[in-house]
This record gives sequence, C-alpha cells and structure tokens, in this order.
Amino acid sequence: DGGITQSPKYLFRKEGQNVTLSCEQNLNHDAMYWYRQDPGQGLRLIYYSQIVNDFQKGDIAEGYSVSREKKESFPLTVTSAQKNPTAFYLCASSKRTSGTNTDTQYFGPGTRLTVL
Amino acid sequence: ILNVEQSPQSLHVQEGDSTNFTCSFPSSNFYALHWYRWETAKSPEALFVMTLNGDEKKKGRISATLNTKEGYSYLYIKGSQPEDSATYLCAFGTDSSYKLIFGSGTRLLVRP
Repeated sequence: DGGITQSPKYLFRKEGQNVTLSCEQNLNHDAMYWYRQDPGQGLRLIYYSQIVNDFQKGDIAEGYSVSREKKESFPLTVTSAQKNPTAFYLCASSKRTSGTNTDTQYFGPGTRLTVL
Repeated sequence: ILNVEQSPQSLHVQEGDSTNFTCSFPSSNFYALHWYRWETAKSPEALFVMTLNGDEKKKGRISATLNTKEGYSYLYIKGSQPEDSATYLCAFGTDSSYKLIFGSGTRLLVRP
C-alpha cells in the first residue's frame, strides 16, 4: 500500500528538549511538506522540500529544522527555540509534476506533540 | 499577507439536507484552488483542484465552483449523509510560489 506514515501518533516531551517527528512516504513523490495546526487556525506551512537535499522555509520556520537526505523521508525537529511547540503536525507529499501548486498534496495521519 | 477565509466555521444539518460553504481568497496572482475533506482521526484527502475561472467540478454528491475574478469558491453537498461529516478545507495557490495557503476549514456535522 502506498502512502505517508508519521510516527509517533502522540508525543510528549519536557520543555527545553528537542524532538524529531518522522515522516516517510512510498509514493515516489519529489515534494514534501510540514504543516502545523492549532485550534481554530488553518494549516500553516513550516518547511517544504521540492527535491532531495534541498528545502525552503515556510511561513513559521522559526524553532524548527528539517533534513531531506532521502526522497522518502523528511523528518522535522522541533527545537527548544520553538516558543510554543504544542500542536498537531501534519506531513504531506506531492508529485511536483508541473512545478507549481496545482499538484494534489497527500497527507499523513499527523503527530500530536505536547510539551509539558 | 495572503489570507484565505472559510465560512461558516461550523454547520449542523439534518440528513438529506443540501448545504454549501464558501472559500474566499485574494483574486490577484491566482493559480489554483484546492478543496480537501478531513474526517476525524483520518488524514485530509483531496476533493478537487480548480484552476480556471468558471470551473465546476463534481464528485458524487459533492460539487464545487470557482470564481477567480471575485475570489471565491463554493462547495456544495447535495442530500447530506452522516458520512459527509468532516472538516472541509480549501487552499489557495499563487503563481509565484509552490506554497498552498489553507483556510481554517468548515466543520460539517450531519445528524441522522
């Protein structure tokens, strides 16, 4: 079955600790994205990657870091510099057929991070 | 700052009712408008991608229209069923970026 997996589903961390959220896809998609959702708000883009070994900051990149060493994987690290890390995090991927934003994004099931 | 607004925020309807909601977006630099359905405990899934003014898309009982000149899209559900209960997200793409800008969604609850 092709799809996107995120792990873990729930994550608890103490304040001041870095934490890495996993995102893996076997859809052979070039582009991958990380979003954050807070109550009452739309999905906000943290980072995105159009190709392996390349990524760009989204609208709320401060306090986060990513890597894209493999096409299938796009892990997100929430660092201690992120002031309000408790949120729901969604990973997505797309084919990047046209190099524009007409490509459908396929989403993972999300990780709920709670910082105590 | 580009903003996408969705209304209403939430909607409760009776099974069999038809309903519609709105997505408003900037009319300048338009490139694409996406609709997603997000059921509780599942991943968002794509419904439609629309790019041309006047586009109409249909998938079963769900349809969508697009007006890029005035900056809005409507999503219609005919004869709502309990399984239509979900949050419906729209996302706007410009011609100058790979990013999608999401609205906060319309939460639909269909009562049996």
